[in-house]
Amino acid sequence: GENVEQHPSTLSVQEGDSAVIKCTYSDSASNYFPWYKQELGKGPQLIIDIRSNVGEKKDQRIAVTLNKTAKHFSLHITETQPEDSAVYFCAASRGYGNKLVFGAGTILRVKS
Amino acid sequence: SAVISQKPSRDICQRGTSLTIQCQVDSQVTMMFWYRQQPGQSLTLIATANQGSEATYESGFVIDKFPISRPNLTFSTLTVSNMSPEDSSIYLCSVRAGGGGTGELFFGEGSRLTVL
Repeated sequence: GENVEQHPSTLSVQEGDSAVIKCTYSDSASNYFPWYKQELGKGPQLIIDIRSNVGEKKDQRIAVTLNKTAKHFSLHITETQPEDSAVYFCAASRGYGNKLVFGAGTILRVKS
Repeated sequence: SAVISQKPSRDICQRGTSLTIQCQVDSQVTMMFWYRQQPGQSLTLIATANQGSEATYESGFVIDKFPISRPNLTFSTLTVSNMSPEDSSIYLCSVRAGGGGTGELFFGEGSRLTVL
């Protein structure tokens, strides 16, 4: 079955700097890759996703890149702010709407 | 979108007891999902609950330990039976928005269980 590895497990950045979180997946048939943000005491919330027919997607300060050949995808957050501090999870599935396999999560701390 | 309410939000339980978690959604959904998030760990799917049929459990999870009810299209319960400290986790209810069960995955805020 699918296996998703996520790095780093923790990441501390200074406010205004960029943060990058990377994930690799094992199932070459996976074609949907969402990212979730989980704030303390809350459930995960979808922040951006990408499908395998594109290599990059942007939404304001957040971007996701996908390299299907290498089977890895990354989350990029620019101009980080304290409210970006949270746990971020990547996930992969064979198709939008199918079972998601999640990475282990990255604790992002933005220091002001 | 979907708004999901879970009860209880947190509880402290004694070893050997059982606890039922409730999940209420503000719209009718085909499938509801139950996840477990152990301390500092990722989200693991426990089971998928369809209205009117038995839940489908993932490998490593069994109905005797995690019985699930799905009496209608907006409500589900997950029971954690005969609890041990290893069951201390956050249990999350989730649904897919939109008809057909293929929309964005939304999560409730979770039920944090501590087993002593």
